[in-house]
Amino acid sequence: DIQMTQSPSSLSASVGDRVTITCRPSQAIYNSLAWYQVKPGKAPRFLLSVATRLESGVPSRFSGSGSGTDYSLTISSLQPDDFATYYCLQYFGNPTFGQGTKVEIK
Amino acid sequence: QVQLQLSGPGLVKPSQTLSLTCDISGDSVSSDTAGWNWIRQTPSRGLEWLGRTYFRSEWYHEYAVSVQSRITINADTSKNRFSLQLDSLTPEDTAVYYCARGGQDGSGSWVWFDPWGQGTQVTVSS
Repeated sequence: DIQMTQSPSSLSASVGDRVTITCRPSQAIYNSLAWYQVKPGKAPRFLLSVATRLESGVPSRFSGSGSGTDYSLTISSLQPDDFATYYCLQYFGNPTFGQGTKVEIK
Repeated sequence: QVQLQLSGPGLVKPSQTLSLTCDISGDSVSSDTAGWNWIRQTPSRGLEWLGRTYFRSEWYHEYAVSVQSRITINADTSKNRFSLQLDSLTPEDTAVYYCARGGQDGSGSWVWFDPWGQGTQVTVSS
């Protein structure tokens, strides 16, 4: 299976900060990458697909970038509702997730 | 709008079998463009895909290697739902379990999971 290395595992940030989370697959996945936001007690929220495509209804402060074996999720100006855990998912092979990044309030 | 509603016990004893059900609204478990997945989340391992079932003229089942010897995923077309059965439970199976719909693109490749059910905490303890 393709291994996904996600970093950092956690970060502390303030409202208004710019935040970037990285995922590195163990092999090329040809942009077959999605990002999710997970909050306790709620269904995971689908944010982006195909590495860069923002899903309908997701705020434009979220963006994705990358290719090959290096992908990122950026939140341009962190809002109170954005404090959560974020996961990347590769779906090029059998689906595997990154280990998650917990975004906490500084 | 597709919605998934998960149900099942919150506490199961070691060595027993976990049974969870996911009810589908807004889509059909027999859809020829969807697959129906089980995923779990633990503090130590994060999110882990467990397997899926899907219908393409016949039923198919695909399982993660980590659980393939003790997992069964089935579909119930009369109730438009699918189920997870996980045998020989240990405390390491304690997790939040999710069901999710997966799609296929035009080339038949599996893509992302959306939507997900709300998740249910399952604790394996005596």
